[in-house]
This record gives sequence, structure tokens and C-alpha cells, in this order.
Amino acid sequence: EVQLVASGGGLVQPGGSLRLSCAASGFTLSNYWMHWVRQAPGKGLVWVSRMNSDGSSRTYADSVKGRFTISRDNAKNTLYLQMNSLRAEDTAVYHCAREAPGTGDWYFDLWGRGTLVTVSS
Amino acid sequence: SYELTQPPSVSVSPGQTARITCSGDVLSKQHAYWYQQKPGQAPVLVIYKDSERPSGIPERFSGSSSGTIVTLTISGAQAEDEADYYCQSADSSGTWVFGGGTKLTVL
Repeated sequence: EVQLVASGGGLVQPGGSLRLSCAASGFTLSNYWMHWVRQAPGKGLVWVSRMNSDGSSRTYADSVKGRFTISRDNAKNTLYLQMNSLRAEDTAVYHCAREAPGTGDWYFDLWGRGTLVTVSS
Repeated sequence: SYELTQPPSVSVSPGQTARITCSGDVLSKQHAYWYQQKPGQAPVLVIYKDSERPSGIPERFSGSSSGTIVTLTISGAQAEDEADYYCQSADSSGTWVFGGGTKLTVL
């Protein structure tokens, strides 16, 4: 079955760190650009970060730039998000998502269910 | 960056047509995409490139575009279509944006 499964969320204190993982199955991760998208409780979807297929290019939302790092291990078919200097406003469900292949069209054709990160003292 | 604007909520009776709009200047240059999200679940793509429907999505889902406004139409809405719907667009600079989401109520 083609799927993405995010894990690694939990409760962390403000200023703390957490690393999320996203395991891909049923397809080869190295063929795709991958993203993280978050959703605060009761709120909408917000794009967080994107990495190209070989890991040589990364982009971030302004709200996480300098604090979050996206990475991938294609050999393990896994995407990561290292989150440092966490703030209360980072509390959200974090989804990993696969970017549809092709040029000129930018959208997600597969999503993982997400993992909840709670930043609180 | 840019913004996409959606109505917070839309309500229809079963069998009626539901229309959800998404507006933004970027939509005159880039395509829009629509996702359906039910509580506790991951989003699912229901329309891509303004009006294309992925395989497995019912024919009652359609999309259209006019200038800076795109519209998701659900013809003959069913109880199972009750969900949050998000529009999304992006550009070659790597900017990805979602609309604020629209809660569709079918009752």
C-alpha cells in the first residue's frame, strides 16, 4: 500500500527540540520532492518546508526559518524534520506530504495522517 | 507571499449543490488545487489544475476558474461530503499557500 506515516511527536517544553520522521512505503521516496505541512488545533493547513528529491535544495516558511531543518534518508525511505527552539505557536499536527511529480504543477498527491507536537511548560 | 481567501463555512441540504470559492491574485497566473479533510484524517486531493478530478473522486466534484477566483462545486452533496475543504496554490519560487479552509455542512 502506498502510504506515508509520520511519527515522533509529543510534549516538549518551550525552547526544546524534537525530530519528526515520515516513513514512506509502497513507493520510492528518492523519486519525489517532499514537504511538511502543519495544522494547529482547530485551524487550517500551513506549509512548513520542502526538500527536493536528492536533498540538495530546501525551502522554509518564514515562521520556522533558522529553527527547523528538513532532511531525508532515501536509503531508509524516510523524511525528517528537526525542530529546535520550539515555541507555543509551533503546537500543531505535522503532516508529511508528497509533491506530485511533473513541471509547472505544484500540489500534493499523497499525505500522511500526521503526528501531534505540543509545546508547553 | 500571497493569500488565498475562502468563506469559513458553507451549508447545504442533502442533494443540493454546494459551491466553495477561493480568491487570490495568484490564481490569475497559477493553478488551484482542492483538498478534502475529514476530522482526524489526512487531507485528500479532490481537484487539481483548477478542474481536473483525480481517479477515485466522485463525478459530483468539479472545479472551475475565472480570473482570480476558483470554485469547487459539489453537485448533489451527500452527508459523506461533510468536511473541511482547502484550496492551495504555489509558484516556481517555492511559495506554497493554502486558503483558510471552508467547513461544509450537509444537513
